Amino acid sequence: DTGVSQNPRHKITKRGQNVTFRCDPISEHNRLYWYRQTLGQGPEFLTYFQNEAQLEKSRLLSDRFSAERPKGSFSTLEIQRTEQGDSAMYLCASSGGGTGETQYFGPGTRLLVL
Amino acid sequence: AQSVTQLGSHVSVSEGALVLLRCNYSSSVPPYLFWYVQYPNQGLQLLLKYTTGATLVKGINGFEAEFKKSETSFHLTKPSAHMSDAAEYFCAVTADFNKFYFGSGTKLNVKP
Repeated sequence: DTGVSQNPRHKITKRGQNVTFRCDPISEHNRLYWYRQTLGQGPEFLTYFQNEAQLEKSRLLSDRFSAERPKGSFSTLEIQRTEQGDSAMYLCASSGGGTGETQYFGPGTRLLVL
Repeated sequence: AQSVTQLGSHVSVSEGALVLLRCNYSSSVPPYLFWYVQYPNQGLQLLLKYTTGATLVKGINGFEAEFKKSETSFHLTKPSAHMSDAAEYFCAVTADFNKFYFGSGTKLNVKP
């Protein structure tokens, strides 16, 4: 397994457009996390899946954000009606299986909203 | 609720000097604590973690950290800095592995 992958790596969009990001976790991992990281800050928790169930969602996450993990494999994060404040790095991490509780992070998707 | 405070957004040390990066946490339940490193244009990588057992934990690249419950601290140390240690370091806490809270990070600069 080559680790957690995220696509696209970069996304530029205009304000008001919808965007969708994809995360492919390490195949044996049942836990999947989404974070947002802005310049000069640490990762900010957005949401958590155990298999296909979304068990935690940050209260900071507005209704414009939605995440899915169908069949407990890959996950998508959608942002509707993007705003300039959504510009950030979106990180995905996974854990579980033989690696235990250690989170493995993907390289992130950098979003720029113009 | 939990939170993490990392004192010092930038730390500069000379090569060969002691590295000390500070992390204090707030948690109403026994915490699990982590240190991650992020090199430029790379993803976060786990350095070390405290879950249960020994309070002094050793990680990769010669780093170690000690969980001090009385001080609510989990400071990261390395006896002798190397140029390759220059990166950004993040401390994180969780109570249940469902939700993680990260500090704002400390950028370590190593001077030759």
